[in-house]
Amino acid sequence: TQLLEQSPQFLSIQEGENLTVYCNSSSVFSSLQWYRQEPGEGPVLLVTVVTGGEVKKLKRLTFQFGDARKDSSLHITAAQPGDTGLYLCAGDVTGQGGKLIFGQGTELSVKP
Amino acid sequence: GAVVSQHPSRVICKSGTSVKIECRSLDFQATTMFWYRQFPKQSLMLMATSNEGSKATYEQGVEKDKFLINHASLTLSTLTVTSAHPEDSSFYICSAPLVTGDWSYTFGSGTRLTVV
Repeated sequence: TQLLEQSPQFLSIQEGENLTVYCNSSSVFSSLQWYRQEPGEGPVLLVTVVTGGEVKKLKRLTFQFGDARKDSSLHITAAQPGDTGLYLCAGDVTGQGGKLIFGQGTELSVKP
Repeated sequence: GAVVSQHPSRVICKSGTSVKIECRSLDFQATTMFWYRQFPKQSLMLMATSNEGSKATYEQGVEKDKFLINHASLTLSTLTVTSAHPEDSSFYICSAPLVTGDWSYTFGSGTRLTVV
């Protein structure tokens, strides 16, 4: 069974603080995707990382894919209340448009 | 960009009745559709994979006779929750893969099902 362990599952911080969310697995992924989801809506793609060791930046968000393509992290700098939401990592095993393996999700709350 | 339109967004039904959820791919053909279930503040759990013109593949523990999936065309996949019970109340989301250089996935906006 392929699992993607995401941590922490809940995070409550003050505006301006930094945070990191981790996703780890014993499986190798063809790519790993990060999503953000608002209540009552579907997930929205933030980024896809494909190459081992890859780092991608999206404004204050930095995404990293592990060298072995088994793990990934999301770092948010100077968090803002607008960053509040559910963050999900999802691994694509086959790279052929097959099913995604989702992590447990991180519920982030950024207080003003 | 490619969009999956999911309807209804909310539905309330009585116990014992059936509910159909539709997902339509707009501007692209979805030969595959994934159906997920999500409980509050939890992640997405894959229920089944539907493939156009063939039987759906269900994940372990998902009752195929209760959650009927039909993918009769390249733009429409449906999930029918049969004989619904309160424990079936959940958020259901569909997703379709598509090639945009690398493979990517587009998600429907979800359906909030409440069984009373």
